[in-house]
Amino acid sequence: DGGITQSPKYLFRKEGQNVTLSCEQNLNHDAMYWYRQDPGQGLRLIYYSQIVNDFQKGDIAEGYSVSREKKESFPLTVTSAQKNPTAFYLCASRGSGGYNSPLHFGNGTRLTVT
Amino acid sequence: DQQVKQNSPSLSVQEGRISILNCDYTNSMFDYFLWYKKYPAEGPTFLISISSIKDKNEDGRFTVFLNKSAKHLSLHIVPSQPGDSAVYFCAVRTGKLIFGQGTTLQVKP
Repeated sequence: DGGITQSPKYLFRKEGQNVTLSCEQNLNHDAMYWYRQDPGQGLRLIYYSQIVNDFQKGDIAEGYSVSREKKESFPLTVTSAQKNPTAFYLCASRGSGGYNSPLHFGNGTRLTVT
Repeated sequence: DQQVKQNSPSLSVQEGRISILNCDYTNSMFDYFLWYKKYPAEGPTFLISISSIKDKNEDGRFTVFLNKSAKHLSLHIVPSQPGDSAVYFCAVRTGKLIFGQGTTLQVKP
C-alpha cells in the first residue's frame, strides 16, 4: 500500500558531522516537504519541492540542504552549520488533488546530535 | 511572529464529554484551514478542513467551526474517546501550510 517512508526512525550523530535523512514516497505525488517539530513550536517548514529538480527554502532553511533528483525521493541533509539540529523531522507529500488537498506525512525521524 | 496560535498547550476531558480545541489566526486573507492529529513518534494525519466560505464542517464526531470576524476556529470532538488522546495541530494554507503550536488532548476513561 502507498505511503511515505522515513528512515531511520532514530538517528544519533556527533556534533560537526553532516547527516542525511531519507524520505521516499510511492504515492506518485509531485510536491514534497520537510518539517521540523520542536516542543511548543508546532511544525516549521524547512524546504519544499513542487516538482523534480526544483526546490525552495521554507521558513528555517539555514543549515539544511535538499535534493530532488527523483519524484519518489526527497532527502534532507542536516549540516554542521545547523545550530540546533536535535529535533523530530517530518517529511510530507501532497497529491495533485488541488491546492487544498491535505499533506500526507511520514512517521518521522528523531535526530539527536551530541 | 506567530500567524497561527493555539494558546492552550494541553486539555484534559472525561470520556464521553465534549473536547473543544481552539485556534486563532492573524490574517483575514487566510481562506483554508485544516486540523491534523498526531500520536507520539508518528507523523500527523489529516483530520478535517474548512474553507472560509463556510462556518461549519462536520465529519462524524468531529466538527470544525470558523468565526471569520474573530479570526478563530475551533475543533469539537463529541463524544470524546480515550483513542482521541493525541496532539492536535491547526493549520492554515497560504501557498504553504502554517501550523499552530499544537494542543495535547488527554481523554480520561
